[in-house]
Amino acid sequence: SQTIHQWPATLVQPVGSPLSLECTVEGTSNPNLYWYRQAAGRGLQLLFYSVGIGQISSEVPQNLSASRPQDRQFILSSKKLLLSDSGFYLCAWTTGGPLETQYFGPGTRLLVL
Amino acid sequence: DQQVKQNSPSLSVQEGRISILNCDYTNSMFDYFLWYKKYPAEGPTFLISISSIKDKNEDGRFTVFLNKSAKHLSLHIVPSQPGDSAVYFCAASVMGGGSNYKLTFGKGTLLTVNP
Repeated sequence: SQTIHQWPATLVQPVGSPLSLECTVEGTSNPNLYWYRQAAGRGLQLLFYSVGIGQISSEVPQNLSASRPQDRQFILSSKKLLLSDSGFYLCAWTTGGPLETQYFGPGTRLLVL
Repeated sequence: DQQVKQNSPSLSVQEGRISILNCDYTNSMFDYFLWYKKYPAEGPTFLISISSIKDKNEDGRFTVFLNKSAKHLSLHIVPSQPGDSAVYFCAASVMGGGSNYKLTFGKGTLLTVNP
């Protein structure tokens, strides 16, 4: 069966510090991968998605970047965190078909102080 | 511009009664809709979906209704149980999106089922 992992679970970082969140998927190959952010009162906002290694699409201009160095690994990064980067970050995967649901990881809660 | 709207941020229901969660969309290209349930500090989990060729889909206590002309869908939970208390997200997509398949989510509705 497929599983999706995210770490760390919780992170407290000072403003201006770098960020690296990791997401890995097991039990499937060539998944579509997604990064979402849930900020207070703003629902789930799609940040990036990737249909293959090295292929990244950005949905909104922001302080973050994403990379996919391996088939089942998706990384969310920032060089300098802002207060507004605080939120709950979720990674999701799907096989890519239009009727396939997205399966979410457990999330990372980021607090920027 | 929000393409998927959940206008009720919260809903409180008595155990055993029906919960009705509403969702409206503006993009007429959307033809596949999903509901996700999310507990605090966890990722959302898929609940139920419906494609635009149907107007109703049922799975146990959960039923989703789609009114394409009104661009409106609703999730009915009958009977509601305290364990149903969570945030419910409505999501929509375009089935013909191919490899660019992605979901557009609403802001969510917090359902509280009181014992």
